[in-house]
Amino acid sequence: NAGVTQTPKFQVLKTGQSMTLQCAQDMNHEYMSWYRQDPGMGLRLIHYSVGAGITDQGEVPNGYNVSRSTTEDFPLRLLSAAPSQTSVYFCASRSNGQGSHGYTFGSGTRLTVV
Amino acid sequence: RKEVEQDPGPFNVPEGATVAFNCTYSNSASQSFFWYRQDCRKEPKLLMSVYSSGNEDGRFTAQLNRASQYISLLIRDSKLSDSATYLCVVSTGTASKLTFGTGTRLQVTL
Repeated sequence: NAGVTQTPKFQVLKTGQSMTLQCAQDMNHEYMSWYRQDPGMGLRLIHYSVGAGITDQGEVPNGYNVSRSTTEDFPLRLLSAAPSQTSVYFCASRSNGQGSHGYTFGSGTRLTVV
Repeated sequence: RKEVEQDPGPFNVPEGATVAFNCTYSNSASQSFFWYRQDCRKEPKLLMSVYSSGNEDGRFTAQLNRASQYISLLIRDSKLSDSATYLCVVSTGTASKLTFGTGTRLQVTL
């Protein structure tokens, strides 16, 4: 049982490049979310999904797209990378019947935009 | 005002000490409450959920005061391995979106 798997673990992009951060979970969780973590800011919600085919914006969605074609996968796409998107990105998931159990997080993707 | 506020610390305590962290939240509609632990350069991991009746897990005790919108975490008999950042987390809405505090750093020393 791998849990939540994020790839890549590290990435350096040039300003203006696009890329996709991958997130997959093998726990059959309905809810999935993407967060970014910046020093002194705490984790902030980018986008989230309550099931396949359903996505919605979080607190800081600008510059990012998501899709949820399957229950397992929730990729995050950076459309045109900017230095302000340098951050650590975490994907998380949980079952919709476990509100009190919290989310399980992936190990993160450290992104640097130069 | 931040939705979830925590004292950033650091709290430097000797092994065996008891330490308490506090957290306040601003959204009275918040439904679920958690403490997560985050080690340096690692992902957050759920430490415990927090219930109105208070709950205990070994050396860790969490309390919730809905009237005051206040959450606490007590760690007894601190171990070196407890050194980490402790995140206060609040959940709202049907999708259980999480709102994180910026964390309180704990350093346990010999």
